[in-house]
Amino acid sequence: NAGVTQTPKFRILKIGQSMTLQCTQDMNHNYMYWYRQDPGMGLKLIYYSVGAGITDKGEVPNGYNVSRSTTEDFPLRLELAAPSQTSVYFCASSYVRMTAYTEAFFGQGTRLTVV
Amino acid sequence: GNSVTQMEGPVTLSEEAFLTINCTYTATGYPSLFWYVQYPGEGLQLLLKATKADDKGSNKGFEATYRKETTSFHLEKGSVQVSDSAVYFCALYNQGGKLIFGQGTELSVKP
Repeated sequence: NAGVTQTPKFRILKIGQSMTLQCTQDMNHNYMYWYRQDPGMGLKLIYYSVGAGITDKGEVPNGYNVSRSTTEDFPLRLELAAPSQTSVYFCASSYVRMTAYTEAFFGQGTRLTVV
Repeated sequence: GNSVTQMEGPVTLSEEAFLTINCTYTATGYPSLFWYVQYPGEGLQLLLKATKADDKGSNKGFEATYRKETTSFHLEKGSVQVSDSAVYFCALYNQGGKLIFGQGTELSVKP
C-alpha cells in the first residue's frame, strides 16, 4: 500500500519562482490536508479539503493555493516563493463520515528551501 | 477557536523513567483527541486516540485519558526506552474538517 505520496522530497527555489508540491493518496480518503512544519513550531495548517471540489483555508494560507479536482490528488501551489516559505511541508489524509473520524495518514514530507 | 497547547520541550529522561507530556485544548463541542509521534526524518504517525470524554487511548505502553472537565489529554508512559526518543504532537479534530496540532514536545531518552 502506497498510502500518502508526496513529491518532491527536496527542492531549492529562488525567490520569486513558482512550484507545485504534489500529494496523492490511494486510500479513498475524503479529507486531505497540507501542513508546514517550521523548526520548534509544530505543524501549522495551510489548507484542507473535505472532498473533491471543496477546499478551505487553514491557519496560514497566505502565499499558497490548492485545488482538489479528484479524490486522490491535492496539490499545493506556491506562486511567488519567499524565504519565509522555507519549511518542511506535509500532506495528510483521513476518512471522515458523520461524526466518525479516523486517524490521519501523513506523507514523508517535502523539504523546501527558498534562497 | 480550536487550539492545542503542549508543554515545552525538550524533555530529557533516563531509560526506565516515568514520562508525562501535558496537553490541554480549547474547542467547542466534543472534539476527538490524538497523540501523534514523529521519529527523526519521518512523517507523523498516530500513537493513540480518544473520541469521547473519559476514554483512555493506549498503545505501545503509552496512555492518555480524555478529561473534559480539565480539557486535557496528557500522555504518560511508565518506563521509557531509548527507542521512544521522538517528537510527540497532541492534536484535536472538531467538526468542520480541521485537524489542529500542538507545537510538539521533543523527548530524548538517554541510556
